Amino acid sequence: EVHLEESGGGLVQPGRSLRLSCTASRFTFRSYWMYWVRQGPGKGLVWVSRISPDGTETIYADSVGGRFTISRDNAKNTLYLQMNSLGVDDAAVYYCVAYNWKSPMYWGQGILVTVSS
Amino acid sequence: DVVMTQSPVSLPVTLGQPASISCRSSQSLVNSAGDTHLNWFQQRPGQSPRRLIYEVSNRDSGVPDRFTGSGSGTDFTLKISRVEAEDVGVYYCMQGARWPFTFGGGTKVEIK
Repeated sequence: EVHLEESGGGLVQPGRSLRLSCTASRFTFRSYWMYWVRQGPGKGLVWVSRISPDGTETIYADSVGGRFTISRDNAKNTLYLQMNSLGVDDAAVYYCVAYNWKSPMYWGQGILVTVSS
Repeated sequence: DVVMTQSPVSLPVTLGQPASISCRSSQSLVNSAGDTHLNWFQQRPGQSPRRLIYEVSNRDSGVPDRFTGSGSGTDFTLKISRVEAEDVGVYYCMQGARWPFTFGGGTKVEIK
């Protein structure tokens, strides 16, 4: 069974940094566009960032551009999100998502990021 | 950004009865290849979202055939022919035509 597992979340003070990881298994990770999607408490879903299968193309939502960096290691089947200068608006459950339009789509179980002093 | 507008926000339904959710996009979702990147998702309480429908009307593997997607251009619909207890949750439409991809605000389906 396909598995995506996020890690690295937790409580962080405003202005600090956090690095999320997502380890994938049982599907061809290196052929998928990978994304981070977040869901604030009681809120809807927001696409945060995406990275191409070979890692050469990245793009960000305006709300995180310049602060977040997405990357991947295909040898380790792992996706990353480096989050700097975190603010209270960044508090959310972060999901790792594999999405290739018409191909099967996979979601992780989500990891909670809390930003508070 | 492409704005996705869903209605209704809340949808109480009697078991066994049909349900319909509407989604409208602020721009056409058709790309140069003629594909329409409109998806529907179900998020059950406490779970990750799960895609039900891709490219307007294609059901994902394992999705019951009581779920049907339709529409074109900027107007789309998700229909549940006979609501079952396991269908309770929030449903989202989502466009993957232009970055940033965007979700609708969600429709909460509950049993009367």
